[in-house]
Amino acid sequence: EPEVTQTPSHQVTQMGQEVILRCVPISNHLYFYWYRQILGQKVEFLVSFYNNEISEKSEIFDDQFSVERPDGSNFTLKIRSTKLEDSAMYFCASRDREAGANVLTFGAGSRLTVL
Amino acid sequence: AQSVTQLGSHVSVSEGALVLLRCNYSSSVPPYLFWYVQYPNQGLQLLLKYTSAATLVKGINGFEAEFKKSETSFHLTKPSAHMSDAAEYFCAVSVENNDMRFGAGTRLTVKP
Repeated sequence: EPEVTQTPSHQVTQMGQEVILRCVPISNHLYFYWYRQILGQKVEFLVSFYNNEISEKSEIFDDQFSVERPDGSNFTLKIRSTKLEDSAMYFCASRDREAGANVLTFGAGSRLTVL
Repeated sequence: AQSVTQLGSHVSVSEGALVLLRCNYSSSVPPYLFWYVQYPNQGLQLLLKYTSAATLVKGINGFEAEFKKSETSFHLTKPSAHMSDAAEYFCAVSVENNDMRFGAGTRLTVKP
């Protein structure tokens, strides 16, 4: 069964450093997403991406964050100058363009720990 | 904007007992509704989805959910809990061409 792949599974970084989280969505999917889950809290929407541009973003997704689809397969989330409160599990998701499907397939997540 | 509210952050049942996890939604247009399960240290796995076909939706692992428009609810049930059902359960909502929003989650504990 096709799956969304995320790397790294766990990254530890120092406060102020830049982090790039990588995702390989399902190959025929056209919509891509990043969600965040702080330990013990709800899954929060960060950003959605379609046709090589951001289609929607939450208030969490400020100038510290950026997304990119540098080639035909990868979808990355960059966090500039990480803060302690950025420590969380970051989930990538994708869905196909079939109208009404709206089902997101999630990756296993990348755990970010900021020290 | 659409949203969901999960009633009860923690539910505890005995093995073999009925599981009932509550979810109420808010949406100005007909919604799509989902339940996802998250096992410890794992990602989100789709349990079942409602996409305006049958109001009673059957999912994996014996779970089902019923869409009740009059109550704006989409509660998740399973007749008999198993130890392996212990996990975090998230209700989610989306509308046509819009993005998915999750509830706060309900942690299910199953006692032997």
